[in-house]
Order: sequence, then C-alpha cells, then structure tokens
Amino acid sequence: GENVEQHPSTLSVQEGDSAVIKCTYSDSASNYFPWYKQELGKRPQLIIDIRSNVGEKKDQRIAVTLNKTAKHFSLHITETQPEDSAVYFCAAIDPGGYQKVTFGTGTKLQVIP
Amino acid sequence: NAGVTQTPKFRILKIGQSMTLQCTQDMNHNYMYWYRQDPGMGLKLIYYSVGAGITDKGEVPNGYNVSRSTTEDFPLRLELAAPSQTSVYFCASSTPPPRGGNQPQHFGDGTRLSIL
Repeated sequence: GENVEQHPSTLSVQEGDSAVIKCTYSDSASNYFPWYKQELGKRPQLIIDIRSNVGEKKDQRIAVTLNKTAKHFSLHITETQPEDSAVYFCAAIDPGGYQKVTFGTGTKLQVIP
Repeated sequence: NAGVTQTPKFRILKIGQSMTLQCTQDMNHNYMYWYRQDPGMGLKLIYYSVGAGITDKGEVPNGYNVSRSTTEDFPLRLELAAPSQTSVYFCASSTPPPRGGNQPQHFGDGTRLSIL
C-alpha cells in the first residue's frame, strides 16, 4: 500500500520567514495530493491541493510543488504569520476504489513573532 | 450547508461500556470515512463507505463497527470500550472523483472520547 513520509516533524520560523514542509510517497498510482492545516483542537482543513498533471500551484502565500519522477511534493509558506502556527498534514490519494487517503505524520509549525 | 456534523463533541466512557458516535453530512457525498487521531499523531482510517449499504474496513477497525443505511449518516459504534480507544474521532466525506481528478475530504469537528 501507499506510504507517505513527512519531514520535518517540527519547524520553528521567525515571523516573515518562509517555511517548507516535504513529503514523499511510494505508490506511483497516487495522483492527488492535498494539504491540510489543523489548528489546536480543530478539524483538519484543506488549504491547497495539487493533481499529478501539474507541477506547481500557488494560492497567495501558499504554494505546493510536485515531482512525480522523484515521488515527492512540498508545501511552501512565504511571509509566515503567527496565525500560520498549526499542524500541517500532507496526503496522497490512490485514484482506485474509494479514494483511499494516506496521510503523513504531520509537521508542527511554530511561527515566532 | 452545515457540512459534516458530528455528535457528541465530548464523551467520557467507562471500560466495557458501549456508545455510538454520530456523523451526518448534507453535501450528498457518497464517500464517508471514520478516522481516529491519537495525541500528537496523524489520522488513521477506521472504516469507510462508498455509498449506502456498503462499508469496509480501514487500517484500524478492531473494536469498532459501522453502518450506512442512508447517504447522509455514517454512525460508528464502540461495543466494549477499552482505554486504548481514547482518542479524537473524525468523520469525513467526499464526492466520487469526476473525470480527471480526485476530490478533497471534508472533516467534521471531531468527537473527543476518553475511556476510564
């Protein structure tokens, strides 16, 4: 089955700096890669996603890149703000069957004011 | 639209008790999922359903049961609660992929369950 590895597990950055979170996946059949943000005590919420036919996608301060050959994808947050502090999960979705989602183990991002 | 609604939000159970966690969605999504999230950890799939009357096991199904009699509802039942089932439980739903791509999952607010 699919295996998603996520690094780093914790990340501290100064406000205004950039943050990068990296994920690798094992199943080349996976073709959809969402990123979720989970604030303390809250539900995971989709912040950005990328499909396998696209190499990069941006949404304001957030961008995701995908390298299908190397089977890795990354989340980039620029000009970080204290409200970006949360746990971020990457995920890979197998297109077959029931859209099986395999989540990474999460990255706890702390933005220091 | 309320999205995905879970009840209760919090519950404390004694060992051996049983309970049902409720999940309902009003987005007419065919696919529904139950996850558990232990403190500081990621999400593990318990059960999923691709439509009314169809359910299947995920990664960690032991100790749980589900049913899917309607498109909207996907309850999760714990028959004999054990301390190892102390966790936060999230229900999620999604629509089947249209031509060309998968769809994201939408999560409920979670049920925080403690078993003492």
